[in-house]
Amino acid sequence: QLQLQESGPGLVKPSETLSLTCTVSDGSIRSSTYYWGWIRQPPGKGLEWVGSIYYSGTTYYNPSLKSRVTISVDTSKNQFSLKVNSVTAADTAVYYCARHDAATHNWFDPWGQGTLVTVSS
Amino acid sequence: QSVVTQTPSASGTPGQGVAISCSGSSSNIGRNSVNWYQHLPGTAPKLLIYNNNKRPSGVPDRFSGSKSGTSAFLAISGLQSEDEADYYCAAWDDSLNGVIFGGGTKLTVL
Repeated sequence: QLQLQESGPGLVKPSETLSLTCTVSDGSIRSSTYYWGWIRQPPGKGLEWVGSIYYSGTTYYNPSLKSRVTISVDTSKNQFSLKVNSVTAADTAVYYCARHDAATHNWFDPWGQGTLVTVSS
Repeated sequence: QSVVTQTPSASGTPGQGVAISCSGSSSNIGRNSVNWYQHLPGTAPKLLIYNNNKRPSGVPDRFSGSKSGTSAFLAISGLQSEDEADYYCAAWDDSLNGVIFGGGTKLTVL
């Protein structure tokens, strides 16, 4: 059964870069069918799609974050990664990675457990 | 700016039915599939309904989805205490060129 797990620092200083990795297990990231996405949830707020990537490297991003976000993929490690630069307190959130059915109905499933990233000095 | 709106809260007693609504526009719900997620605090969100009204394997048939025009609905029948969670709708938005989530509905089982 496909599983995803986020990893990365839980604390990032303002103006620095947030970096997270999602490891995919019991399945291949080199799927011709699916993208791989990042979604975040600030404390007390709702879910926000950050962006998604195909194993070939094709990406698309939430326009509100596009100028600061980079998503990349490493097929040899079955991982994909998220970088958000110039972070502020508004980037404090639980970050989830998930498989993204971008070709048809745009659902996310399954999701990783999520990792809390706090932006603070 | 594209927006998908959900009623912030809903409630019901065990055994009752409840409906949660999701209101969007022609650029999202009006022309694209709606998906619903159940999110219990501290856990990973779970896909509950996809493609407007399809249930993934393992989701009880107490949960059902529908869509009409630019609105979508999640119905839960026979409420159980474990249904107490946040529920989110989501859809692709052609103007945003990305996925947009509703603000979420907190369901309380009284």
